[in-house]
Amino acid sequence: TQLLEQSPQFLSIQEGENLTVYCNSSSVFSSLQWYRQEPGEGPVLLVTVVTGGEVKKLKRLTFQFGDARKDSSLHITAAQPGDTGLYLCAGARSDSWGKFQFGAGTQVVVTP
Amino acid sequence: GAGVSQSPSNKVTEKGKDVELRCDPISGHTALYWYRQSLGQGLEFLIYFQGNSAPDKSGLPSDRFSAERTGGSVSTLTIQRTQQEDSAVYLCASSLDPHLYFGPGTRLTVT
Repeated sequence: TQLLEQSPQFLSIQEGENLTVYCNSSSVFSSLQWYRQEPGEGPVLLVTVVTGGEVKKLKRLTFQFGDARKDSSLHITAAQPGDTGLYLCAGARSDSWGKFQFGAGTQVVVTP
Repeated sequence: GAGVSQSPSNKVTEKGKDVELRCDPISGHTALYWYRQSLGQGLEFLIYFQGNSAPDKSGLPSDRFSAERTGGSVSTLTIQRTQQEDSAVYLCASSLDPHLYFGPGTRLTVT
């Protein structure tokens, strides 16, 4: 059983459409991170959120951390083929510092 | 600057053989992590080091798995008597703050 549940598992959209990926848990996290992984490479950090209710924007990407610090979402506006990749959320709990638990990931495919 | 490097990039081994995977972290990073990623799965936490000590070994799947880190730098993950279910990509990451910097991984195939 994954500590962090991501949905959907797979998302295929056309260039220019919007998409949202969700990351949910029953646990409270002191911080939550989003990574993007491309084939043959390690994940690359996109953002870290630490405050409940926090919203961060990175160009066309908007990240939100739930008020209770148990869930998060990633919204991409006007998706481009370069956004294709595996999106992973990772959380660290205050009682297990340093141990980042990852979700199973959402595979996003953006076609031209 | 140099990122996290891992070697080998690919390893094919026969069932029952031992393998060693190496990770060279970013210089100065005190924390080092090992994760395993199977096809279609997320990252499975294996172990992390703070300096040379491993506060949390709870993710190691069995006693066939061991890891060490020397000089606060290079780490090796050793799998003894490999089994087919050990086939996966083994990812290493290092960190100075909560930002994890990942290497490209070692793809292990056990035949």
